[in-house]
Amino acid sequence: GENVEQHPSTLSVQEGDSAVIKCTYSDSASNYFPWYKQELGKRPQLIIDIRSNVGEKKDQRIAVTLNKTAKHFSLHITETQPEDSAVYFCAARRGGGSNYKLTFGKGTLLTVNP
Amino acid sequence: KAGVTQTPRYLIKTRGQQVTLSCSPISGHRSVSWYQQTPGQGLQFLFEYFSETQRNKGNFPGRFSGRQFSNSRSEMNVSTLELGDSALYLCASSPGTSGDEQYFGPGTRLTVT
Repeated sequence: GENVEQHPSTLSVQEGDSAVIKCTYSDSASNYFPWYKQELGKRPQLIIDIRSNVGEKKDQRIAVTLNKTAKHFSLHITETQPEDSAVYFCAARRGGGSNYKLTFGKGTLLTVNP
Repeated sequence: KAGVTQTPRYLIKTRGQQVTLSCSPISGHRSVSWYQQTPGQGLQFLFEYFSETQRNKGNFPGRFSGRQFSNSRSEMNVSTLELGDSALYLCASSPGTSGDEQYFGPGTRLTVT
């Protein structure tokens, strides 16, 4: 089955710096890659996603890049703010019209220090 | 639109008991997936329902089951509870036929003593 590795497990940055979280996946048939942000005691919140026919996607301060050949994708957060502090999860989904199973990475605890 | 709702939010049960959790998806969404979240194992897929049928299943024992009703609301049941079943159970709502996005509910925190 699919396996998703996520690094680093913890990341501490200064406010205003950039943060990068990387994930690799094992199933070459995966074609959908979402990122979720989970604040303490809250639900995972979808913040950005990318499909395998796209190499990069941006939404204000966040961006995701995908390298299908290497089977890895990354989340980039620029100009970090204290409210960006949370656990971030990457996930992958195998292609197929009726497959909605997401396989998640173990998460990255991002701390943005003021 | 209202978001995904789950009830109850917190539950304390004893080993050997059974429990039923409920999830109401976003209006118009027909797919409901269930996930177990624990500190050690992270987020793990349990199963997914679409139009009252289980379409996908994760690697959990048969004690974990679910169903979906005609209004797309879903329930999951865990029988013969074990201490290791203590976790946050999350459901996620998706359109099911178009669109890949899954939106999570607030979860049910289950504690087994």
